[in-house]
Amino acid sequence: DGGITQSPKYLFRKEGQNVTLSCEQNLNHDAMYWYRQDPGQGLRLIYYSQIVNDFQKGDIAEGYSVSREKKESFPLTVTSAQKNPTAFYLCASSIRGQGLKATQYFGPGTRLTVL
Amino acid sequence: SQKIEQNSEALNIQEGKTATLTCNYTNYSPAYLQWYRQDPGRGPVFLLLIRENEKEKRKERLKVTFDTTLKQSLFHITASQPADSATYLCALDLARSNYQLIWGAGTKLIIKP
Repeated sequence: DGGITQSPKYLFRKEGQNVTLSCEQNLNHDAMYWYRQDPGQGLRLIYYSQIVNDFQKGDIAEGYSVSREKKESFPLTVTSAQKNPTAFYLCASSIRGQGLKATQYFGPGTRLTVL
Repeated sequence: SQKIEQNSEALNIQEGKTATLTCNYTNYSPAYLQWYRQDPGRGPVFLLLIRENEKEKRKERLKVTFDTTLKQSLFHITASQPADSATYLCALDLARSNYQLIWGAGTKLIIKP
């Protein structure tokens, strides 16, 4: 099955800890994205990557870091510098382009809770 | 300032009626507009795309309109069913080189039997 997977589905973190959220896709997409979703709010872009070994900050990158060493993988690390990390995190990928090429395919999400 | 707005209040519709959701934007010039469906605890799923030079697009019971003068898109579900209950998100494609989409917050649709 082609698709995009995220793990874990639920993650609990103690204050002061770094945690890494996994995102893998087998759609052969060039572009990958990380979003944060809070209740009643739209998707906010954390980081995106258009090609391997390159990534750009989105609107709310502070306290987060990413890597893109392989086309299929785009892990997100939530560092202790992120002051309010409790949220629903979504990873997405797209072919890269305009119109239908900009259509994003999403993973099932990871719900992170800080204890 | 640039904004994209969808009704923040949930929309309650009787089964069998047509549901109409609104996406308004200001100070953007999108080349395309996309609609997605999101179920609770899951990622959004793409439904339809409409181009700036298209007035209307249909797919089965779904219809999307796009008025670039009013800066508005309407999303219609005809013969609505309880299974259509979800949050619907609109997203603007500005056709920029970074290929990002600009997302609305979504409208929660509840179809009552």
